[in-house]
Amino acid sequence: DAGVIQSPRHEVTEMGQEVTLRCKPISGHNSLFWYRQTMMRGLELLIYFNNNVPIDDSGMPEDRFSAKMPNASFSTLKIQPSEPRDSAVYFCASSFEATYEQYFGPGTRLTVT
Amino acid sequence: AQSVTQPDIHITVSEGASLELRCNYSYGATPYLFWYVQSPGQGLQLLLKYFSGDTLVQGIKGFEAEFKRSQSSFNLRKPSVHWSDAAEYFCALDSNYQLIWGAGTKLIIKP
Repeated sequence: DAGVIQSPRHEVTEMGQEVTLRCKPISGHNSLFWYRQTMMRGLELLIYFNNNVPIDDSGMPEDRFSAKMPNASFSTLKIQPSEPRDSAVYFCASSFEATYEQYFGPGTRLTVT
Repeated sequence: AQSVTQPDIHITVSEGASLELRCNYSYGATPYLFWYVQSPGQGLQLLLKYFSGDTLVQGIKGFEAEFKRSQSSFNLRKPSVHWSDAAEYFCALDSNYQLIWGAGTKLIIKP
């Protein structure tokens, strides 16, 4: 298996622009997680999907952030409009519910100028 | 409240020396515990996990961890570190299929 796939790996954008991050989970996994990692705040869970349904989005910072999972093999995290404070590494992880282990993608490094 | 504490932000050890990274947890039931490693610029990789049974669990890359319920601890150990072990290590606790993360410990290897 190719593991969790994220794209793009790096994104540089200007403040106010829309940013879309993409994730393909491991085939057969039914849970998907979006995380944000910064030096100041460490690793933060943004949202968690189970069977394509958002279960917990309490970590989404504000309405500028939205996430979707239209099917079991694809998810997006969108920031609109982006701000410099959104600069971070965004990770997607997936798991098979019964095993609890989360497998992480390589991350997307987002820089908002 | 459920929580994971990694008391050491940084640890420096010499190559070839033994290593122990500390992890303490707070959880009301039997915990499911994990150690992950993050190399610079990389995602997180699972090193090992504890669900039940034998309290000493073996993981990849020569790491092991011991679950001690009486001390609410799940410390990670390696008998002899290699320069390639330099990374950040995260302890995590499962809570309803979500992970509660420690702040991480950065391991620095002295040549």
